[in-house]
Amino acid sequence: EAQVTQNPRYLITVTGKKLTVTCSQNMNHEYMSWYRQDPGLGLRQIYYSMNVEVTDKGDVPEGYKVSRKEKRNFPLILESPSPNQTSLYFCASSHGAWETQYFGPGTRLLVL
Amino acid sequence: AQKVTQAQTEISVVEKEDVTLDCVYETRDTTYYLFWYKQPPSGELVFLIRRNSFDEQNEISGRYSWNFQKSTSSFNFTITASQVVDSAVYFCALSEADTGNQFYFGTGTSLTVIP
Repeated sequence: EAQVTQNPRYLITVTGKKLTVTCSQNMNHEYMSWYRQDPGLGLRQIYYSMNVEVTDKGDVPEGYKVSRKEKRNFPLILESPSPNQTSLYFCASSHGAWETQYFGPGTRLLVL
Repeated sequence: AQKVTQAQTEISVVEKEDVTLDCVYETRDTTYYLFWYKQPPSGELVFLIRRNSFDEQNEISGRYSWNFQKSTSSFNFTITASQVVDSAVYFCALSEADTGNQFYFGTGTSLTVIP
């Protein structure tokens, strides 16, 4: 089954404790992206990747890192989480930046 | 400046009414793509439609229809004879092919269909 998976689905952590949210897709998509969803703000793009070893900033990259060492995986790293990073995070993939994106189920993060 | 504006934050309609969700976008690109996604209460994001800037034909899919007007930079979405299952948050999105690889979402419209 074609899908985008994210782990964990729910995470509670404390300020400053490094965490990684994994994202994996099995559709051989070149383009992958991370978004955060906050009430009243819609979805905002954090980082995206056009292909392996090619990443770029979206609208809200501060406090986040990403890497794309393999085509199927695109982890999101919060090196020192802060409470303002409490949000719902979505990973997505597609064949290109202008193609239909397929989304993972979301990861709900609470930073205390 | 917001590249995609969904001015309607929340809409409530009674079942079987028609409802139109507005989407206004801003771009200087000649080639761009517009999308609508649905987020039901369960939280997943469901793709509804993709339209490129060269195709202004309106599209109909069952009870759903989309009106793309480049002259007003709008890509509105109409649900005919709404049903309770249409209750969701709907997002309009833009991708610009000439100037970048980013994807821009609007802030969403929460639709409640009352039985």
